[in-house]
This record gives sequence, C-alpha cells and structure tokens, in this order.
Amino acid sequence: GENVEQHPSTLSVQEGDSAVIKCTYSDSASNYFPWYKQELGKRPQLIIDIRSNVGEKKDQRIAVTLNKTAKHFSLHITETQPEDSAVYFCAASLGWTGGGADGLTFGKGTHLIIQP
Amino acid sequence: GAVVSQHPSRVICKSGTSVKIECRSLDFQATTMFWYRQFPKQSLMLMATSNEGSKATYEQGVEKDKFLINHASLTLSTLTVTSAHPEDSSFYICSARDLVGSLSTDTQYFGPGTRLTVL
Repeated sequence: GENVEQHPSTLSVQEGDSAVIKCTYSDSASNYFPWYKQELGKRPQLIIDIRSNVGEKKDQRIAVTLNKTAKHFSLHITETQPEDSAVYFCAASLGWTGGGADGLTFGKGTHLIIQP
Repeated sequence: GAVVSQHPSRVICKSGTSVKIECRSLDFQATTMFWYRQFPKQSLMLMATSNEGSKATYEQGVEKDKFLINHASLTLSTLTVTSAHPEDSSFYICSARDLVGSLSTDTQYFGPGTRLTVL
C-alpha cells in the first residue's frame, strides 16, 4: 500500500517568513495530493490540493508543488501569520477512478509554529 | 457548502459496551464516506471505506466485527464500536466525497470528529 513520509515534524519560523513542508510517497499510481490544516481538537481543513497532471498550484499565500518523477510534493506558505500556527498533514490517494473510491494515506504531520 | 456533521462529539462509556457514531453529509450526497482514527498527537489512519448500499471495505488490521459500518443512505454512515475497551479510546473522524451528478470529486470533507473514551 501507499506510504507517505513528511518532514519536518516541527517547524518554527518568524512571522512574515516562509515555511516549507515536504512529503514523499511510495505508490506511483497515486494521483491526488491534498494538504490539510488541523487545529487542536478540531477537524482537518483542506487548504490546497493538487492532481498529478499539474506541477504547481497556488492560492494566495499558499502553494503546492508536485514532482511525479521523484514522487514528492511540497507545501509553501509565504508571509506567515500567527493564525497559520497548526498541524499540517499531507496525504495521497489514487483519487476518483470511476470504478471505486480510495481513502487518504496521511503523513505524520508537521507542527508549524509562527513566532511573533 | 460541503458540510459534514458527526454525532456525538464526545462519548464516555464503560468497557464492554457498544457505541454508535453517526456521520452525515448535510448539503450534498455522498456515495462514499470514510472512517479514520486519530490517536493523540498522531496522524489520521484510514479504518474503512463506507459505500452506500453495500458492504464496507476495511483496511488491513481493522476488525470488521468490532467496527461495524452501515451506510444506509446517501447522507448517512454509522460506525458502531462493539464491546469497546480502553484501547479503543481515540478520536474518530469521518469524511465524505461530494457526488456531482454521476461523478465523484476527489475532495474529502471531514466531520468534526467524535472523542471516544472507554473506561
């Protein structure tokens, strides 16, 4: 099955600086890669996702890049703010195949701390 | 849009009892829902895939007789933890995929989770 590795486990950055979180996956058939933000005791919130036919996607201060050959994808947050502090999870799945459904395999998470 | 609810949000039960958790998609239909478990300060682990009108598919290592899943309609899936024990204490979260016409999107929307504590 799929295996997703995520680094670093903890990331502390100064407010206003950029943060980068990296993930690798093992199953070359995976083609859907979402990123979730989870605050303590709350549900994961989708912040951005990317599909295998796209190399990069951006939404305001957040961007995701995907390298299918190397099987890794990264989350980039620019101009970080205190409210960005949370645990971030990357995930991978086969995505909708038209013939079934596939759950998400999550990385172990990155605790992002924004220092004021 | 794309709101998923769970009930109850918290439950405390005695060892040996059964607990039912409901997951509802409030403003969309979902032929497929997923159940995840999250231990404190850990990641989410997929337990099973719940398909409307058919049997659930369980991940390796998840006991199907212990975690009963029923997906009776396009908006409701239930997870019943049978004969619960302290090691079953965890945060259980469901998710649902939006069904748009005859196609499903990849995006999973998560419920708020249910904190289960077994004494």
